[in-house]
Amino acid sequence: EDKVVQSPLSLVVHEGDTVTLNCSYEVTNFRSLLWYKQEKKAPTFLFMLTSSGIEKKSGRLSSILDKKELFSILNITATQTGDSAIYLCAVEYVQGAQKLVFGQGTRLTINP
Amino acid sequence: KAGVTQTPRYLIKTRGQQVTLSCSPISGHRSVSWYQQTPGQGLQFLFEYFSETQRNKGNFPGRFSGRQFSNSRSEMNVSTLELGDSALYLCASSLVAGGPPGETQYFGPGTRLLVL
Repeated sequence: EDKVVQSPLSLVVHEGDTVTLNCSYEVTNFRSLLWYKQEKKAPTFLFMLTSSGIEKKSGRLSSILDKKELFSILNITATQTGDSAIYLCAVEYVQGAQKLVFGQGTRLTINP
Repeated sequence: KAGVTQTPRYLIKTRGQQVTLSCSPISGHRSVSWYQQTPGQGLQFLFEYFSETQRNKGNFPGRFSGRQFSNSRSEMNVSTLELGDSALYLCASSLVAGGPPGETQYFGPGTRLLVL
């Protein structure tokens, strides 16, 4: 069964710390891996990764994909309280039609 | 450009009732997907519509159904509600279905359904 697993499920750190969130997947006909940030309601798009070893960066956030080992990491440096959110990993694949499956999410809490 | 809108934002129903949720995609977007999000199960795919046709369906019982209109607006219906249907229902729109990898989905604010 196709699946996406995120770890940890929950993480509490202090402002200024660096965090690494993990996402592993098992799907056939992989197309892309996406990261979303969900603060209150609507998940907002962060990154899309399709190729191994190419880091995507946006400010203090960065992400990389390893298609051989089937995982991705999302790094956040110099964390701020505004980074507190649920971070969702999703994998896009093709099984008949194009599909998108989400992991359970990592709830990140940044304490001042 | 207005984002994805969902109505209602909050809803309280009792077991056995039925409910209809609405989603209006971003103007020009033709693909609408629906997700159920619960603390225990995370975000789970319900179905996807494109050009008024259901293209994809997740592993949900037949009580969950949907449709899409010619203006791309979509509705989902849940009949004979159960306590376990309490969740945040998210709708996401994208320009096309089956497009390039990662064709970005834009999520709406969701409808929080509570079944008593």
